[in-house]
Amino acid sequence: QVQLVQSGPEVKKPGTSVKVSCKASGFTFITSAVQWVRQARGQRLEWIGWIAVGSGNTNYAQNFRERVTITRDMSTNTAYMELSSLTSEDTAIFYCAAGHYGDYWGQGTLVTVSS
Amino acid sequence: EIMMTQSPATLSVSPGERATLSCRASQSVNSNLAWFQQKPGQAPRLLIYGASTRATGIPARFSGGGSGTEFTLTISSLQSEDFAVYYCQQYNNWPRTFGRGTKLEIK
Repeated sequence: QVQLVQSGPEVKKPGTSVKVSCKASGFTFITSAVQWVRQARGQRLEWIGWIAVGSGNTNYAQNFRERVTITRDMSTNTAYMELSSLTSEDTAIFYCAAGHYGDYWGQGTLVTVSS
Repeated sequence: EIMMTQSPATLSVSPGERATLSCRASQSVNSNLAWFQQKPGQAPRLLIYGASTRATGIPARFSGGGSGTEFTLTISSLQSEDFAVYYCQQYNNWPRTFGRGTKLEIK
């Protein structure tokens, strides 16, 4: 069956970076796209960016453009989202979602930024 | 950036009744709109794409409508498991953008 399995929770210091992974199975990863979404506790969904797996083309939200990098490794069917210059406002659950419309979602990764 | 406005912020409806949620785009997104359902502690789930096409496994009581800038999600007869937060997202333009969500609660 289709699965997106994300890496485990992270605790980071302000100013550092975090890299979250998203491993896909059960569908053709290379023809898919992956988007990343942030959700602070009790808050709305916030779109971070997107990667077309086959071409590697990316697109990022303006709010994150200067400090986010989304990549993929087709040999392991895994997408990555790296966010730098973390602040306490980045404390949130980060989701990956695959498929053109966000058809499949990972379980979420809690990133806590605290000194 | 296209702004997505959802209304109302909270909707109180009794089980078995009909619920209609609205989503408005700040400019036309054609039919490139999706609806997601999110329950507490869970990841969002795709309900509708292309404004009106149900995703795989989504019950027929969920229906989407609209095009351009005005969209609706209708749940024809609310079941207990439908009480959740619903988000719309446009994918017509970069960046993709979400609305702030509508919380559907039991009346």
